[in-house]
Amino acid sequence: EVQVVESGGGLVKPGGSLRLSCAASGFPFRDYSMNWVRQTPGKGLEWVSSISSFSTLVNYADSVRGRFTISRDNAKNSLYLQMDSLTAEDTAVYYCARESGMEYFDLWGRGTLVTVSS
Amino acid sequence: QSALTQPRSVSGSPGQSVTISCTGTSSDVGGYKFVSWYQQHPGKVPKLVIFDVNKRPSGVPDRFSGSKSGNTASLTISRLQAEDEADYYCSSYAGSYTYVFGSGTMVNVL
Repeated sequence: EVQVVESGGGLVKPGGSLRLSCAASGFPFRDYSMNWVRQTPGKGLEWVSSISSFSTLVNYADSVRGRFTISRDNAKNSLYLQMDSLTAEDTAVYYCARESGMEYFDLWGRGTLVTVSS
Repeated sequence: QSALTQPRSVSGSPGQSVTISCTGTSSDVGGYKFVSWYQQHPGKVPKLVIFDVNKRPSGVPDRFSGSKSGNTASLTISRLQAEDEADYYCSSYAGSYTYVFGSGTMVNVL
């Protein structure tokens, strides 16, 4: 089955860190750029970060640049998001999303919830 | 990286048509043909319904159509059905490996 599955979410205090993982299966992971997209509870979607198939190109939303780091391990079919200096505004469901090759997201995971609270 | 502007909600009766607008800038919607739309039912994962402004993925009914003029893209749902009640988000490529989503529109089927 073609799928991506996120993990690593949880409750963290302001200023803390968390590392999210996304395990891909059923498709040639190394052929696709991957992304993280988040959704604040009850609110809209926000693109967070993208990484090209061989990690040569990465970018971040202004809201997370300098605090979050995206990475991938093609040998393990895995995508990661290291989140540091977390604030309450980072509280959201974080989705792993595959970029189709034509600048749209054609495969989404079910998401993992990150809650930043003291 | 400001969110694209969408109306908060639109409503229509079964069988009618509704159109959702998505306004950006020349740096995103107006600058690329890469506008996509996602449907999200409560508690569910976003689902792609339109890509490349006006193309439908396999399995999406032809009641869904997209268009673009200048910095504004639109999604039209024709012959509205109860199952179409959901949140809809537009998205655009914004250059340099970045993307921007719209603020989201709730479609209410009366």
